[in-house]
Amino acid sequence: EAQVTQNPRYLITVTGKKLTVTCSQNMNHEYMSWYRQDPGLGLRQIYYSMNVEVTDKGDVPEGYKVSRKEKRNFPLILESPSPNQTSLYFCASMGLGALFNTDTQYFGPGTRLTVL
Amino acid sequence: DQQVKQNSPSLSVQEGRISILNCDYTNSMFDYFLWYKKYPAEGPTFLISISSIKDKNEDGRFTVFLNKSAKHLSLHIVPSQPGDSAVYFCAASDLAGNQFYFGTGTSLTVIP
Repeated sequence: EAQVTQNPRYLITVTGKKLTVTCSQNMNHEYMSWYRQDPGLGLRQIYYSMNVEVTDKGDVPEGYKVSRKEKRNFPLILESPSPNQTSLYFCASMGLGALFNTDTQYFGPGTRLTVL
Repeated sequence: DQQVKQNSPSLSVQEGRISILNCDYTNSMFDYFLWYKKYPAEGPTFLISISSIKDKNEDGRFTVFLNKSAKHLSLHIVPSQPGDSAVYFCAASDLAGNQFYFGTGTSLTVIP
């Protein structure tokens, strides 16, 4: 089954304690991306990656890091989480030929992060 | 600064009637527009898209209309069904398709 998986699904942590949210896709997609969803703000793009070792900032990259060492994985790293990073996070992937076809990004189920 | 806006946080429609969800954007460089549907506790799923060279795209019960001069697009669902009850996000991308900008979402409730 084609899917994007994220782990963990729920996480409660404390300010300053480094954490990583993993994202993996099994569709051999070149493009992967991270978003956060906040009430009244919709989904905002954090980082994206066009392929292995190619990453770029989205709209709200501050406080986040990413890496793309393998095509299937795109972890999101919070080196020193703060309460304003409490949010619902989504990972997504897309084949680069998809944008102008009838299909586009596949999203994971989300990770709800609370930073105390 | 929100480049894609959905000014109606919620919408209720009777089953069988038409649902019209609206979206406005500010960036004239946007070239591709998408609608996603999201159920609680799930990630968004792609619904329908339109490129800037078209003004209408239809897929079954779903039709997206694009008015470039007004920087406005809308999603029509006809007929609406209870299973359509979800949050709908409008999104936009430039021609390169690297970055995506989403609206704040409209929660649609279809009343049986």
